[in-house]
Amino acid sequence: DAGVIQSPRHEVTEMGQEVTLRCKPISGHDYLFWYRQTMMRGLELLIYFNNNVPIDDSGMPEDRFSAKMPNASFSTLKIQPSEPRDSAVYFCASSGLGSYNEQFFGPGTRLTVL
Amino acid sequence: RKEVEQDPGPFNVPEGATVAFNCTYSNSASQSFFWYRQDCRKEPKLLMSVYSSGNEDGRFTAQLNRASQYISLLIRDSKLSDSATYLCVVNRAHFGNEKLTFGTGTRLTIIP
Repeated sequence: DAGVIQSPRHEVTEMGQEVTLRCKPISGHDYLFWYRQTMMRGLELLIYFNNNVPIDDSGMPEDRFSAKMPNASFSTLKIQPSEPRDSAVYFCASSGLGSYNEQFFGPGTRLTVL
Repeated sequence: RKEVEQDPGPFNVPEGATVAFNCTYSNSASQSFFWYRQDCRKEPKLLMSVYSSGNEDGRFTAQLNRASQYISLLIRDSKLSDSATYLCVVNRAHFGNEKLTFGTGTRLTIIP
């Protein structure tokens, strides 16, 4: 079975540009999570969805960040406009059959904003 | 104060040695606890859950002290393949494991 799939794996962009990160969770999983990892702050939960509905977005740093989950097999995290401080690795994770189960992480998207 | 604090290391340990990591958390209402492992430039993966009574999985032993808000991980007979960053993780949710807070990790290098 395929794990969590993220694209692109690497993204380099210039300040002010729009960035869209994509995630395909494991089939059948009903929770989807977006995380950001930096050296200084570690791994931080940005937002999570249950059955495609956003449940908690309190970790989203500011209005420049938005996330959507139009269906059970696809989610996006968008940054508009991007800033150099957004440079980080962004992970998507999913868990299934209720949230007590293990979260499986995708390989991450390494974002560099110049 | 950070919600989850870990010694960042690095810990450089000879192969075969025993190594212990510690972690403290600030939210006394935290419900469940985990250790994750992250290899260099890879995604985090669940190593083990941590139960109040302590639990063991092969060479790995995890312990929780709720009164002191302290979690530990012990690795016995360390292998080269144990080299990784170990993340202490605390769940803030009352139901389910959806609100995980990660420590910044302890880096371990096993030396041949």
